[in-house]
Amino acid sequence: DVKVTQSSRYLVKRTGEKVFLECVQDMDHENMFWYRQDPGLGLRLIYFSYDVKMKEKGDIPEGYSVSREKKERFSLILESASTNQTSMYLCASSETQGINNEKLFFGSGTQLSVL
Amino acid sequence: QKEVEQNSGPLSVPEGAIASLNCTYSDRGSQSFFWYRQYSGKSPELIMFIYSNGDKEDGRFTAQLNKASQYVSLLIRDSQPSDSATYLCAVSGNTPLVFGKGTRLSVIA
Repeated sequence: DVKVTQSSRYLVKRTGEKVFLECVQDMDHENMFWYRQDPGLGLRLIYFSYDVKMKEKGDIPEGYSVSREKKERFSLILESASTNQTSMYLCASSETQGINNEKLFFGSGTQLSVL
Repeated sequence: QKEVEQNSGPLSVPEGAIASLNCTYSDRGSQSFFWYRQYSGKSPELIMFIYSNGDKEDGRFTAQLNKASQYVSLLIRDSQPSDSATYLCAVSGNTPLVFGKGTRLSVIA
């Protein structure tokens, strides 16, 4: 089974802190994604990567950056955390591009609270 | 902006009935269509996908696609209380998935 592991299930940070959310997948998937999920707003794409060293902005990249130094690891960085970044963050991975490229496997999520 | 629309629900059905979940999408170029199930407090999991017009059946689940009407649906036959969850429709067309906001299904025993 594909496993997507997010380093923390719950995280509490203060405004202005730099926050790192880590995600590791063990199935040699090419594609990795970061979403946030908020009540009433659904899943929104922050950043994605179709290859190591490659990253693309999603729909809501402001205030975030990402790092993908290794194929299996995709990190989301909040440069200076703000209260409006309190959310559930979900990492996902999928196989190579093509018609089947969007069968996403999700991690268990990180509930981030910024105080 | 590509959009995927779903009725937020809740949709309540009695145990054993057919649950019908619907989704419309705005991008005519969309090629791949997915249904994810998300239990409360859990992450989404893929349950069905469909690429061609028509029906695709998998156990108690049937996905239906009508590209002309830009409409996707998910039927759950013999609904069980364990089917109570939020169902997310997602659409892709050479771009990352766009998700609907989900329909909450409640199956009443």
